[in-house]
Amino acid sequence: AQTVTQSQPEMSVQEAETVTLSCTYDTSESDYYLFWYKQPPSRQMILVIRQEAYKQQNATENRFSVNFQKAAKSFSLKISDSQLGDAAMYFCAYISIGTSGSRLTFGEGTQLTVNP
Amino acid sequence: KAGVTQTPRYLIKTRGQQVTLSCSPISGHRSVSWYQQTPGQGLQFLFEYFSETQRNKGNFPGRFSGRQFSNSRSEMNVSTLELGDSALYLCASSFNSGPQETQYFGPGTRLLVL
Repeated sequence: AQTVTQSQPEMSVQEAETVTLSCTYDTSESDYYLFWYKQPPSRQMILVIRQEAYKQQNATENRFSVNFQKAAKSFSLKISDSQLGDAAMYFCAYISIGTSGSRLTFGEGTQLTVNP
Repeated sequence: KAGVTQTPRYLIKTRGQQVTLSCSPISGHRSVSWYQQTPGQGLQFLFEYFSETQRNKGNFPGRFSGRQFSNSRSEMNVSTLELGDSALYLCASSFNSGPQETQYFGPGTRLLVL
């Protein structure tokens, strides 16, 4: 069974600084998708970024970028120029190409605090 | 385009009762998935409905059930509530069913079982 592990329960960063959140996953599949979702205090899950495993290029979305290391099964999220609005719980998620349906497997989450 | 909506947002029930939660997907989306979020177990997949058919089911007891209507709106039902069912229930919609589809989440329904 696939598992997703986020080893940092909590992280903090100063406003305008850069922070990296870690995620590792265990799978025997070769094709899959990885996601980072953000859950602010409102509890609404918001998609931050998505990466297709067959793409070697790391995905970027404005201040958010990933470091995808397929061989190491690592998928970290880098937030540049951190803003107060980035404070949230961040979840890493995985889904295999071979999955029948849309079942996501989530990590435990990392609570990010942004200090002014 | 309106996002995923869930009703009610908050619910308090007592043990033994049953509850029905509703999820309206983004217009045009045909797949709806449900997740349970608790502090202890994290985010766990409950089930997915696509074109009114259950596509996938997670490892939950039969007390948890769902359905989808022809307009893609989905409901989940929990019968004989237990204290451990207290959780945030999230639904997510996508245009189609499948791993290539990005799922968009609703704000959730917070259920408290007393």
